[in-house]
Amino acid sequence: EAGVAQSPRYKIIEKRQSVAFWCNPISGHATLYWYQQILGQGPKLLIQFQNNGVVDDSQLPKDRFSAERLKGVDSTLKIQPAKLEDSAVYLCASSSDRKETQYFGPGTRLLVL
Amino acid sequence: SQQGEEDPQALSIQEGENATMNCSYKTSINNLQWYRQNSGRGLVHLILIRSNEREKHSGRLRVTLDTSKKSSSLLITASRAADTASYFCATVLRAAGNKLTFGGGTRVLVKP
Repeated sequence: EAGVAQSPRYKIIEKRQSVAFWCNPISGHATLYWYQQILGQGPKLLIQFQNNGVVDDSQLPKDRFSAERLKGVDSTLKIQPAKLEDSAVYLCASSSDRKETQYFGPGTRLLVL
Repeated sequence: SQQGEEDPQALSIQEGENATMNCSYKTSINNLQWYRQNSGRGLVHLILIRSNEREKHSGRLRVTLDTSKKSSSLLITASRAADTASYFCATVLRAAGNKLTFGGGTRVLVKP
């Protein structure tokens, strides 16, 4: 079974630029999550999708972050405009309806200069 | 938001020794999960313990849960250099769907 795929793996941008991350969950997983992990900290949930609907986006900075999951499969997370404090690893995870375990992708490491 | 807190923040041991790390949380949970993160990689699920369970084993891992003290511990026995990683506890609150709230992690270094 293929795991969660993310791209790109690394991205360096300047502040005020925009960036987008892509995630392809494990086939058949209805739930998809985006996390932000700042260096030295645990992951923080940004947004949770159930199929193509948003379940929880309470910690998503909506003035600059947006996410979508069209057709209930792939998802993109966008930051526009980026700030220095957005430097972090962005992790995507997915889970099936029948299990509570989340499966994580390798993450995208973002550096904002 | 409610969050698990791991203790210690960092741990250094010799290969073959046991490693124990603790997690405390604040409110009632549905379950508690432990994840491992190797340097530069995503998280890997290790073990899930439900609120009505007190102990679970998986290979060299042993997890305990004390809901009266709102705490959990992860024990890695006979550690190996490959166990070098950060270990995170994550709680799932009752009626919170499958939302994980992670602690800050324990960084474990196993020296050969």
